[in-house]
Amino acid sequence: DTEVTQTPKHLVMGMTNKKSLKCEQHMGHRAMYWYKQKAKKPPELMFVYSYEKLSINESVPSRFSPECPNSSLLNLHLHALQPEDSALYLCASSQTDRENEKLFFGSGTQLSVL
Amino acid sequence: DAKTTQPTSMDCAEGRAANLPCNHSTISGNEYVYWYRQIHSQGPQYIIHGLKNNETNEMASLIITEDRKSSTLILPHATLRDTAVYYCIVRGLMNSGYSTLTFGKGTMLLVSP
Repeated sequence: DTEVTQTPKHLVMGMTNKKSLKCEQHMGHRAMYWYKQKAKKPPELMFVYSYEKLSINESVPSRFSPECPNSSLLNLHLHALQPEDSALYLCASSQTDRENEKLFFGSGTQLSVL
Repeated sequence: DAKTTQPTSMDCAEGRAANLPCNHSTISGNEYVYWYRQIHSQGPQYIIHGLKNNETNEMASLIITEDRKSSTLILPHATLRDTAVYYCIVRGLMNSGYSTLTFGKGTMLLVSP
């Protein structure tokens, strides 16, 4: 199994809603990542978890709250988002966070904030 | 991580080899060169990576110059399904002790019949 599974594939939410994005992998990887990608732009790193601990937060607003309940799961909790937060949210994993480890990406959650 | 420079777009005829260049003149000795591609609205797909030596796998070949300041990704027989944005990324250990994968603007490769 070399898949990173993201759910839901599409999400529409209002600015007052609370929602969560879910990411799962069963490759035994110990590093997991959240990226954000706006239309026609490259993916931008948001968070990195290494061995279930948050190791990198790229100055992401607090309305995005990551959670890593175990080594296979990564969540992104969303609250009070703005329309400009509409984007494709990508999850990735790698064996470790070392520079010689390739990342496997999920197909993303397309988020629309109304 | 060192910055990369890639052409904005390239064209290739189906069945021909696609050679995608990347400049990374500030690369340091412990930084790897990675190539990913992204087909519209899908997640990025790993293609290949290398440190100093040329590398080949079932998808592509990676040619790194001896001074490591540039590299070329070669898709030997391009198909229409290879139409995608191709990202060349240099990844190393940062001063913080962590390593991240930072995407640049990439090259839009259009393969046509």
